[in-house]
Amino acid sequence: KQEVTQIPAALSVPEGENLVLNCSFTDSAIYNLQWFRQDPGKGLTSLLLIQSSQREQTSGRLNASLDKSSGRSTLYIAASQPGDSATYLCAVRPVYGGSQGNLIFGKGTKLSVKP
Amino acid sequence: DAGITQSPRHKVTETGTPVTLRCHQTENHRYMYWYRQDPGHGLRLIHYSYGVKDTDKGEVSDGYSVSRSKTEDFLLTLESATSSQTSVYFCAISAGLESNEQFFGPGTRLTVL
Repeated sequence: KQEVTQIPAALSVPEGENLVLNCSFTDSAIYNLQWFRQDPGKGLTSLLLIQSSQREQTSGRLNASLDKSSGRSTLYIAASQPGDSATYLCAVRPVYGGSQGNLIFGKGTKLSVKP
Repeated sequence: DAGITQSPRHKVTETGTPVTLRCHQTENHRYMYWYRQDPGHGLRLIHYSYGVKDTDKGEVSDGYSVSRSKTEDFLLTLESATSSQTSVYFCAISAGLESNEQFFGPGTRLTVL
C-alpha cells in the first residue's frame, strides 16, 4: 500500500531564507506527484505537477524535484516571504492499488515564515 | 483557478439526519472525487466518478453514497449523519487519469452534533 510521508511536520524560518520541504513515498510506481498549498480554512491550491518521467518542475520561486527510484521529492522555496506561510501537501498518483486516478496524500508540512 | 464550487460551505446538523453536499464544476472534466480531511489522517478518498452515472468507492466510503446525473455535478450524501463524519469535505476534478493535474474546490466544513 502506497504511503506518503512529509518531514518535518512544522517548520519556522526567518524571512529571506531558502528552504526545502521533503516528501517520501513507499512505492515508486507512480504516474505523477503533485505539490499543493493550503491556507488555514481554505482549499488546496496546486503548485506544481511532476510527471513520473520528469526530474523537476519550476514555477517562480518554487522548484520541485522528483527521484522516483528512491521515492523522494523535494520542494525548494527561494527567498521565503511571510506570504509563503501555509501548509504544504505532497500527493502521489499511484499506478497500483489506488482508485481511478485518486491521489495519496502526505499529512503536510506547516511552514511559518517570520518577518 | 479551476471552476469548482461546493455548497454549502458550512453546515451544522444533528446525528441521524441526512445531509447532501454538492460539487459543481464548469471545466467539463470527466473525473470527480470526494475527499475528507481530518487532523492526523490527512486527505482520504471517499468516492469518485469516472463519468455520468459511473461511480465507485474509495478508501473510506462506509456511510456515504454519491450520485452523478450530469457531468458538472457530483453529490455526496450522508444517509444518517454520525459524529465521526464531522470533517472538512473537498471535491476535486481531473480531466484524465495518468498525467492530469487534480484541482480542488474550496471545501465544506460539516459538523455533526
